[in-house]
Amino acid sequence: DTAVSQTPKYLVTQMGNDKSIKCEQNLGHDTMYWYKQDSKKFLKIMFSYNNKELIINETVPNRFSPKSPDKAHLNLHINSLELGDSAVYFCASSQDEVGLTNEKLFFGSGTQLSVL
Amino acid sequence: ILNVEQSPQSLHVQEGDSTNFTCSFPSSNFYALHWYRWETAKSPEALFVMTLNGDEKKKGRISATLNTKEGYSYLYIKGSQPEDSATYLCAFDGGGSNYKLTFGKGTLLTVNP
Repeated sequence: DTAVSQTPKYLVTQMGNDKSIKCEQNLGHDTMYWYKQDSKKFLKIMFSYNNKELIINETVPNRFSPKSPDKAHLNLHINSLELGDSAVYFCASSQDEVGLTNEKLFFGSGTQLSVL
Repeated sequence: ILNVEQSPQSLHVQEGDSTNFTCSFPSSNFYALHWYRWETAKSPEALFVMTLNGDEKKKGRISATLNTKEGYSYLYIKGSQPEDSATYLCAFDGGGSNYKLTFGKGTLLTVNP
């Protein structure tokens, strides 16, 4: 069983479209995250949620809207996609909040988004 | 903006060689330093979370040391094997209720048989 699963693995779409990436974790973790691997290959935090509540929003454009229907899911919806949104997006989870404990992150396998 | 630097950017070694690489991070407001191993087409997987100055962690042939006063950590691989080929990421945790890690760009290790 995959601990953190995200779908789809690949997403190719046109500029201006709206798309969603889904993430689910079956680890019973309280905290979930979205990371973006930027063009320089850095993994950068976008959002984190703890028990369905938004904790971090790292100055991400408001075209990106995370939704956490329950603590096992954190979906990422992107409106009006732009060319610069092309990247690999990673979902992750941890038992508790990174920053207050020694929790490590468990990552999904990534979604490669290509905006044409 | 936190600066987490890893060197070298990439490394090629022969099977059986031992190798090491470096992660540099801010020496102030240190809470923890993470190491992750990221194989191509897979997810990053945690190797170590280190919190104490002078800490040493070991997992099989891989070990890591931590110097929080000078802001660096070394990752060592003893007797490299082709299956060790991966990108090794470090991530700095400055603590506080901010739920985030700042990642370095990684060191890409290729072990040639």
